[in-house]
Amino acid sequence: GAVVSQHPSRVICKSGTSVKIECRSLDFQATTMFWYRQFPKQSLMLMATSNEGSKATYEQGVEKDKFLINHASLTLSTLTVTSAHPEDSSFYICSANLAAGSTDTQYFGPGTRLTVL
Amino acid sequence: QKEVEQDPGPLSVPEGAIVSLNCTYSNSAFQYFMWYRQYSRKGPELLMYTYSSGNKEDGRFTAQVDKSSKYISLFIRDSQPSDSATYLCAMNTGGFKTIFGAGTRLFVKA
Repeated sequence: GAVVSQHPSRVICKSGTSVKIECRSLDFQATTMFWYRQFPKQSLMLMATSNEGSKATYEQGVEKDKFLINHASLTLSTLTVTSAHPEDSSFYICSANLAAGSTDTQYFGPGTRLTVL
Repeated sequence: QKEVEQDPGPLSVPEGAIVSLNCTYSNSAFQYFMWYRQYSRKGPELLMYTYSSGNKEDGRFTAQVDKSSKYISLFIRDSQPSDSATYLCAMNTGGFKTIFGAGTRLFVKA
C-alpha cells in the first residue's frame, strides 16, 4: 500500500516551453501533497505544499507564477513549470501525505527528471 | 541552527559491517521519526517509522530514538552492497509538516 506515482519519469524540453508533471496517490487519498526539487548529491528542497481544493503554499524564494501547482482531487496534484529555462533542469519529486489517526507519513513518488535545452 | 542535523558523509564500509547513521534535532516537540532510503535518481522510500523514544527493529534495520538527547539512529546489520544509498532522517510533531535531514550517503563495498 501507500504507492505514489509520477508522470513523466523523464522529460526533455526546449527553453521557453511549459512542462506539466503529475503526481498521483494510487491507493490512498491525500489532502496534502508536497513538491520537492533535488539537485545532484543534494538533499530535498521543499518547493510547495499542495492542498486539495485550495491554493498551494510556496516556500520562500519559489516563484508562484513559474511553478504552478494544482491539486484538483484527493489523488492528483500537478506541477507545471512555465516558460522553462535551463536553470530549471532538476529532479522534481512529489510526496503524498497519508494521515492515519494521529500520525502523518509522507510517501514519495519516483521523481521526474527535467532537462531544459 | 538547523532543526535537524545529519552528517552528509559519504560513509564507506565493507560488506558485512554494522552501519550506524544518526541525526540530531533541536525541537523537543518532535514525536514521530522516520528514516527514508533514496537510491540514485529515485524517490525516497520509507524504511522505518517510530513514535517517541525507544527501539524498533525490522529485519537488518533497527531504529533508535533518544528524546532526552534529541538523537536518533538507524543501524544496519550485515550491510550489503545493495544498501548503498542516501539515508534521510525525518521527523514531525504529529502534523504533516515534516522536517528532513540533509541525508547521509552510504557506500557498502563488496
